[in-house]
Formats: sequence, structure tokens, C-alpha cells
Amino acid sequence: SQQGEEDPQALSIQEGENATMNCSYKTSINNLQWYRQNSGRGLVHLILIRSNEREKHSGRLRVTLDTSKKSSSLLITASRAADTASYFCATDALGANSKLTFGKGITLSVRP
Amino acid sequence: KAGVTQTPRYLIKTRGQQVTLSCSPISGHRSVSWYQQTPGQGLQFLFEYFSETQRNKGNFPGRFSGRQFSNSRSEMNVSTLELGDSALYLCASSLGGSRSGQRGYTFGSGTRLTVV
Repeated sequence: SQQGEEDPQALSIQEGENATMNCSYKTSINNLQWYRQNSGRGLVHLILIRSNEREKHSGRLRVTLDTSKKSSSLLITASRAADTASYFCATDALGANSKLTFGKGITLSVRP
Repeated sequence: KAGVTQTPRYLIKTRGQQVTLSCSPISGHRSVSWYQQTPGQGLQFLFEYFSETQRNKGNFPGRFSGRQFSNSRSEMNVSTLELGDSALYLCASSLGGSRSGQRGYTFGSGTRLTVV
């Protein structure tokens, strides 16, 4: 079963704009992770935020976590055509014992 | 540092056959997890191995099995293939230890299995 639900399901923006993707989850977590997938290939780990953190940055990526609302957001600033991909949030739930539960993903299209 | 290697990349099998997929984790990583990705169900956890022991298992039938060798390489096997087993199978490696998920996972490119 899916733990995370991403929103929106699809997003289309112009190069240079910012992209914001949201994720909601259901249970208590150790951490939440964001991954990118290009055209049905493998997943690339983008960023991990622990349950006791509220915000984290990595290059053009900014992720926030609100454990009271069980939600997270991923912001990609100054998007590029190469950012076109599917993005997934995944939760490492308390007691899940090294098992990630993924959302259905967001398809991001960045128009040149 | 070599990444996670999955072989083969593509596979076509007939219903009723069995298949074995291979995953070589990053050198030094002792944990290997397997996931199935389909358009309908998304990404679903199959199982995780650490130091040759299955440490966690998802909700898949017994036709899905796996193992891990002393060099941390892992294989997963699906017996009596069904059409619904057509999917991208991904493996992920991590350092392992008591909390594999604390650092994130490195995924391979996957094996695309088509059952006809």
C-alpha cells in the first residue's frame, strides 16, 4: 500500500521557474526521502530529511517537513529542462525496519 | 566507485517459467533491497537482505524469493511467472547496520521483465 501521496500528479513549468511538489504520508517516520526517476530507469536519491529536521537544502533543492501535518514539500529552484523526470517521496516509517514506502510520484515537465 | 549493477537489463519470459535477477551492490554496502515497479501499483517493497539474512519482507506471494551471498551480491527469483509479474525490478543498496534507511539508498537501473 502507498504511504505517501504526492501532489500534484503532474506539473508543467517553463525553464527558469520554480517547481514545488508536495507529499503527504500516514504514519510516524524516521525520515522522508525524495528520489528522481528518468524515463523508467533507476531511482536517484536527491535528499533525505530526518523527522527532527524541518528544512534542508542541497544545491537547487529545498525540502521541508511538517511532522504535525505529516507532509513534506520539495522545491526545485531555477528549473532546467534536465529536471524533467518523475519525482517520488518515500518514507522510512518507524518500525518499518529498512523498508521504504513510496508515493505514486509526480511527473515534472520543464519546457525549454 | 562503481554503482549498483543489475543484470540483465531486459528479459522476456513466458507465463509459467521462472526467472532469476541479479544485483551487485556498491562495494562495502551490505544491505540490498528489492522493489517492484508497475504502472498500476507503483513502487512496492519486496524484501531486504543484510549479511546474507532476509531482514524484512513485503506482501508478495511465496513465488517471489531472494538470497544474498557472502560478497553481498543478491539474487531474486520469481517462479511460475504470471502476466502481472511484468514490471521494472529495482534493487537498492545501502551500508546496512541497524538503520539502513538513515542515509538513503543507491538504486540500480533495474531489470525490465516482460511476461508473455
